[in-house]
This record gives sequence, C-alpha cells and structure tokens, in this order.
Amino acid sequence: DSGVTQTPKHLITATGQRVTLRCSPRSGDLSVYWYQQSLDQGLQFLIQYYNGEERAKGNILERFSAQQFPDLHSELNLSSLELGDSALYFCASSLGTGPQETQYFGPGTRLLVL
Amino acid sequence: SQQGEEDPQALSIQEGENATMNCSYKTSINNLQWYRQNSGRGLVHLILIRSNEREKHSGRLRVTLDTSKKSSSLLITASRAADTASYFCATDRQAGTALIFGKGTTLSVSS
Repeated sequence: DSGVTQTPKHLITATGQRVTLRCSPRSGDLSVYWYQQSLDQGLQFLIQYYNGEERAKGNILERFSAQQFPDLHSELNLSSLELGDSALYFCASSLGTGPQETQYFGPGTRLLVL
Repeated sequence: SQQGEEDPQALSIQEGENATMNCSYKTSINNLQWYRQNSGRGLVHLILIRSNEREKHSGRLRVTLDTSKKSSSLLITASRAADTASYFCATDRQAGTALIFGKGTTLSVSS
C-alpha cells in the first residue's frame, strides 16, 4: 500500500459527460501528479501540483483541468468526455518537487466512456 | 512523446532464471527510475539511479546506467513467479521534474 488513495476505483459514463477523479496524497507529501495510462499512448504525464500551485504541465487536454486544495488532496476534472478518454488515471505523490523525488502511485481510477 | 523505450516489449522466462530489460532514452537526464506494475494496478517504485552513477543494487535487482549511450538495464536475478509484471523505466528532463515513462516490458515468469 503506497499510502496514496484514489476514488472512485471504477467509473463508467457516457460521451459528453463530465467526471471528477479524486486523489489523496501520502501524509506529508506536497506534490501531486496525474497520469493517464492507455494501451496506445502508454503512461502519459498530465499535470503536477506542489503545495496548491500548478508546477508542471504535460499532455493535458484543454477539456481536462485539475486543482490541489489546501488540505493537499487533488481533483482531476474531465469534461466533454470522448471514447478515447477511456483509460486508467493514476495519481502519484512525492514529498517535494525535485528530480530526485520518488513518486508513490495510487491504485488508479479506471474510466470507461461509452 | 516517449522519452524512454524499453526492450524487449515482452519476456517469458522460467523461475530461477535471470531477466534483463533495457531502456533507451533521448535527452539528458538527472535520474532514471524503474517501476513495476502488476496487472491493472498502481506502479511501485523499484530503484532510482542518478546520472553520475553507473550501477546500483537493491536485493535481486541490479540497474546499470550508461549516459554516453543514453541507456539503462534492469537485471532481476533468480526470478520468481511473483516477479510477473510490467516494468517501466522513467526519466526526467533536466529542466523539469515530471517523469516520462516508456511503454514497458511485460515479464512473465512461469514455475
């Protein structure tokens, strides 16, 4: 158990809908990262927050947004969902934000868009 | 785009044999990390090797890094059925902290 929790575990929704994925980092960790894993694209970095502020941005679509709250939990909002958004979404956390940080991954949220 | 590319894509071995996976990357890095993912589950950090290190050990794991060739290898000795998983290398760009993952090597260890 990494100490990172993600809810929900599974999500089934329809195209055009909006969903919110939630992540609670390990106790004491200030950085939260979001990744998308799909069969064709592999594991893609989406976005990173550090202590409430956006720190780095990857291949995140404009339809997707995220935020980190004062209690350090984070939410990833996916809107106008398309079939291709079906994937595993992982959250990871680390203590700081340097390149030497080990990232601890949550169990993921499996999103299926029908 | 992928920074790291693992090779082979899939590897099947018998228990007790050694498994070697390779990773190549394109740009200069600060560190290279290896992660394991059991089917459909979260990734588990295995080992981090810094750009100024050449070799690192952790239990049955041995990682090498050759920055001149931009490549790394992960050796698992005396494999067990429980080692069956996908293994990913992850690199960072020197200018940033986000990890960039390869597509992984799927290892299957049969008893």
